[in-house]
Formats: sequence, C-alpha cells, structure tokens
Amino acid sequence: GAVVSQHPSRVICKSGTSVKIECRSLDFQATTMFWYRQFPKQSLMLMATSNEGSKATYEQGVEKDKFLINHASLTLSTLTVTSAHPEDSSFYICSATFTDQETQYFGPGTRLLVL
Amino acid sequence: SQQGEEDPQALSIQEGENATMNCSYKTSINNLQWYRQNSGRGLVHLILIRSNEREKHSGRLRVTLDTSKKSSSLLITASRAADTASYFCATFRSGGYNKLIFGAGTRLAVHP
Repeated sequence: GAVVSQHPSRVICKSGTSVKIECRSLDFQATTMFWYRQFPKQSLMLMATSNEGSKATYEQGVEKDKFLINHASLTLSTLTVTSAHPEDSSFYICSATFTDQETQYFGPGTRLLVL
Repeated sequence: SQQGEEDPQALSIQEGENATMNCSYKTSINNLQWYRQNSGRGLVHLILIRSNEREKHSGRLRVTLDTSKKSSSLLITASRAADTASYFCATFRSGGYNKLIFGAGTRLAVHP
C-alpha cells in the first residue's frame, strides 16, 4: 500500500513552454503533498508543501509564479513549471502523507529537460 | 535552508564489506530517517529512528542516533552489489515545520 505515482516520468520541452507534472496517491487519500527538486548528484530540495483545497506553502527562494502548484483533490497534486528555461531542467519528485507528516511516500520522479 | 551533511560523499567498497555513512544536522528533531535512491529513481524509505531512541536495526541495516552530537550513522553489513545507490538522511521536525530536510547524501558503490 501507500503508492504514489508521477506522470510523466520524463519530459522534454522547448524553452518558453509550460510543463505540468502530476502526482497521484493511488491507494490512499493524501492530506499533504510535497514537491522536491533534485539536481544531478545533489540532494532533494523541498520546493513547496501543498494541502488539499488550500494554497501551497513555498520554501524560501522558490518562485510561486514560476512553479504553480494545485492540490485539487486528496489524491492529486500538480506542479506546473511555467515558461520553462534550461536552468529548470531537473528531477522533480513528489511525496504524499496521510497519517502524520513524518511518514512520506515518494513518487518515482519526473525528469524534465528544457531545450 | 537545507540542513544535514553526510560523509563520506562517496564510498566504494567490495561485496561483503560493511559500509558506514554518517549524517549530521543542526536543529532539534523529532526523528531522523534514512532513504535509498537508485540512480534516476525515487526514494525508498529504509528506517526511522526517533529522538528518544539510540539504535535501531532492520535486517542488515543498523542506525544510531546521538542527539547530543546531532549526528546519526547508517551501517550496512555484508554489503551486496545491489546496495549500490545513494543514501540520504532526512530530519523531521513537527510543531509547525512538519517537513523533511534532507542531507547531501552518500553515493555508495559496492563492487562484486
């Protein structure tokens, strides 16, 4: 149980376009979802925390107008990278929690390449 | 800002040897967790140790926590080639924070 999926697993886009990444909790209702970003050979950096039905809380230095997060239901959160640029190329990972926020279940990640 | 530093950054050993990774952190915590990440994949939760615990075992894994030194170690005994991955510690603070903060990670390579 506690499976989290992400779609797509990999996306290549042109500079200036927007890209949407979905994070779904498949067998549980996620009260909170988290979005992380990971550059090659580096650690996970928390970007934002999203709670169903409310606005996401962004970490310091993360542009909320650049990275739009929508958590419309208890099983789905989306991250939209707007006007993507090559420096946005990264591995984006989501996680979800339902009981207590100390236990997070991670998705498989989405690799974004902006040309 | 992210907290948590791990050493070594990279570790290369032979199958059968033990691998020890260390993690240090800066603030008070409720628990510390260790994760494994295979190249280009998501994270797999390995073990959680609470602030009032000093040692925990799970199969070939042994985790220690020293809150006075704000440090933790992960020991993998009798390593296998399949253990090759990056290992991250992550600290959790409740009380308004409620988020995991990841360390820099240790890249472990186990050679057959």
